[in-house]
Amino acid sequence: DQQVKQNSPSLSVQEGRISILNCDYTNSMFDYFLWYKKYPAEGPTFLISISSIKDKNEDGRFTVFLNKSAKHLSLHIVPSQPGDSAVYFCAASLFGNEKLTFGTGTRLTIIP
Amino acid sequence: DAGITQSPRHKVTETGTPVTLRCHQTENHRYMYWYRQDPGHGLRLIHYSYGVKDTDKGEVSDGYSVSRSKTEDFLLTLESATSSQTSVYFCAISGGTGGFDGYTFGSGTRLTVV
Repeated sequence: DQQVKQNSPSLSVQEGRISILNCDYTNSMFDYFLWYKKYPAEGPTFLISISSIKDKNEDGRFTVFLNKSAKHLSLHIVPSQPGDSAVYFCAASLFGNEKLTFGTGTRLTIIP
Repeated sequence: DAGITQSPRHKVTETGTPVTLRCHQTENHRYMYWYRQDPGHGLRLIHYSYGVKDTDKGEVSDGYSVSRSKTEDFLLTLESATSSQTSVYFCAISGGTGGFDGYTFGSGTRLTVV
């Protein structure tokens, strides 16, 4: 049972435009959400996170939105740059538990 | 990240042979994890450790065992490798001071079972 889902395996966006990556979850007990970015032949690296007590968190060009009623989060990248081309994973954890459940990933390609 | 290293980076092995992957950390983090990454499945947890000699199974633990005899090292063993275990394996750590802020991952081990 996939508790964290990324329904778009791939996404292509023009350089300079907004990239929106989506993630849905089924377990309403998840209370902490993270996005990781992965380049080929490297390990995933932390990008941005959000706690369930917030509905938005920003860090430079990256913003994560959380809609708890819909069990949905999204990552916005504005403006998109060629270096943003990578695979993006969303992940979730339960309160007091450091074990992360990951989505299947979305491959983002930024077109110059 | 220099605080976590995996070895080997690449390995080709034959079906039925035992294989051990090593994860070494210098961050003194309490928790260590082994994940595998496969197309269409994302990152799936194999085993994790919450302290020396304390380990537990993840969602895809069949065919794998782990050991953690000291804080720095977390070993993943495939007792008898099968082709379905061809994958990229990632080690991760968490549990530093200051509360949970996600994982730090190693660079991965690409394992091919022929």
